[in-house]
Amino acid sequence: AQKITQTQPGMFVQEKEAVTLDCTYDTSDQSYGLFWYKQPSSGEMIFLIYQGSYDEQNATEGRYSLNFQKARKSANLVISASQLGDSAMYFCAMRDRFNNNDMRFGAGTRLTVKP
Amino acid sequence: DGGITQSPKYLFRKEGQNVTLSCEQNLNHDAMYWYRQDPGQGLRLIYYSQIVNDFQKGDIAEGYSVSREKKESFPLTVTSAQKNPTAFYLCASSIDRRNEQFFGPGTRLTVL
Repeated sequence: AQKITQTQPGMFVQEKEAVTLDCTYDTSDQSYGLFWYKQPSSGEMIFLIYQGSYDEQNATEGRYSLNFQKARKSANLVISASQLGDSAMYFCAMRDRFNNNDMRFGAGTRLTVKP
Repeated sequence: DGGITQSPKYLFRKEGQNVTLSCEQNLNHDAMYWYRQDPGQGLRLIYYSQIVNDFQKGDIAEGYSVSREKKESFPLTVTSAQKNPTAFYLCASSIDRRNEQFFGPGTRLTVL
């Protein structure tokens, strides 16, 4: 069964520093997609970044980058120059064909940025 | 502005009553989804729809029903058969099933 693991229930980072949020996944499919979402306290889910399994370059979107290590089945999110507004829950998700392209979410990591 | 709207933001119902949560999108997306989120947990898929008049059960469909009569709308009914309906409900849409999903602001349902 497809599984997404986020091992860090909570993380703290000093403002302006970089932070890495861990995500490992398990799939037998060779074609899959990895996603990261941010959920502020207001509740909405905000799409941050996407990595396809065949993409040769690590995805980047502004201050967000995805450290994709296919052999290790990890897709860690790196946030550079943390801001106070980055404090939120962060969810890693994956979809693959074996699971009918349903998106499966990890349990999330709560990031707190300290001033 | 294109986006997804859910209403209401907060909903209170008595035990045993059916309740319908609204979800509308003007992004011209074909696929729409309903998720449930419980405190401290990730999202679990309730139902999804790839096209109008078609929908499929997700992992936790029991006690829920949906309809997709229009491309823009995908309402979710929480029936009295749902044993523990108090949760945060999120609606999402995407161009198709492979692409990123965009979410609405959510509805927090509390059953008293």
